Amino acid sequence: EAEVAQSPRYKITEKSQAVAFWCDPISGHATLYWYRQILGQGPELLVQFQDESVVDDSQLPKDRFSAERLKGVDSTLKIQPAELGDSAMYLCASSIGTGSSYEQYFGPGTRLTVT
Amino acid sequence: QKEVEQNSGPLSVPEGAIASLNCTYSDRGSQSFFWYRQYSGKSPELIMFIYSNGDKEDGRFTAQLNKASQYVSLLIRDSQPSDSATYLCAVRRRGSTLGRLYFGRGTQLTVWP
Repeated sequence: EAEVAQSPRYKITEKSQAVAFWCDPISGHATLYWYRQILGQGPELLVQFQDESVVDDSQLPKDRFSAERLKGVDSTLKIQPAELGDSAMYLCASSIGTGSSYEQYFGPGTRLTVT
Repeated sequence: QKEVEQNSGPLSVPEGAIASLNCTYSDRGSQSFFWYRQYSGKSPELIMFIYSNGDKEDGRFTAQLNKASQYVSLLIRDSQPSDSATYLCAVRRRGSTLGRLYFGRGTQLTVWP
């Protein structure tokens, strides 16, 4: 069964350092989402791609976060510099499209701890 | 008011009982509704989705949707200890051509043997 791949699974970094997360969606899925989930809360959308284009980054803290999906397949999310409040699970999800009936499937996530 | 509200629980039921998880949403025009299960330290796993008013059954799971009341629920029959997890309700709004989901904070369910 096809799955969304993410790496690394865990990352510990010091405040002010740069970190990067990678995501490879299910083959053929044009839509890719990055979510952040703080402990005890539901996932919140950071950025959404349709193919290689950003279609929603309204919740992305653009002063420190960046995301790209250069060839419309895999994607990278970067934080620079990391802050203590960035400690969370970073989840990547993908779907075939954006219609109301399309389900989103999540990868295993990257657990980030900022010290 | 948050887009999606869930009772954070914890909800505790004995093995074999019916677990009832509830969710309300603020946008009356919301179109589609999803239930995800999330084990501790793991990522969310889609278990049910529903678009139309009424009930939708899948094995031991039944999703119920009442758009007039802006209410969606998940029933788990014959609950098992392996059902112990956090259940996330997610909503896709009308006109959300981008497909964005809004999540509740989840309800923690414990099924005790």
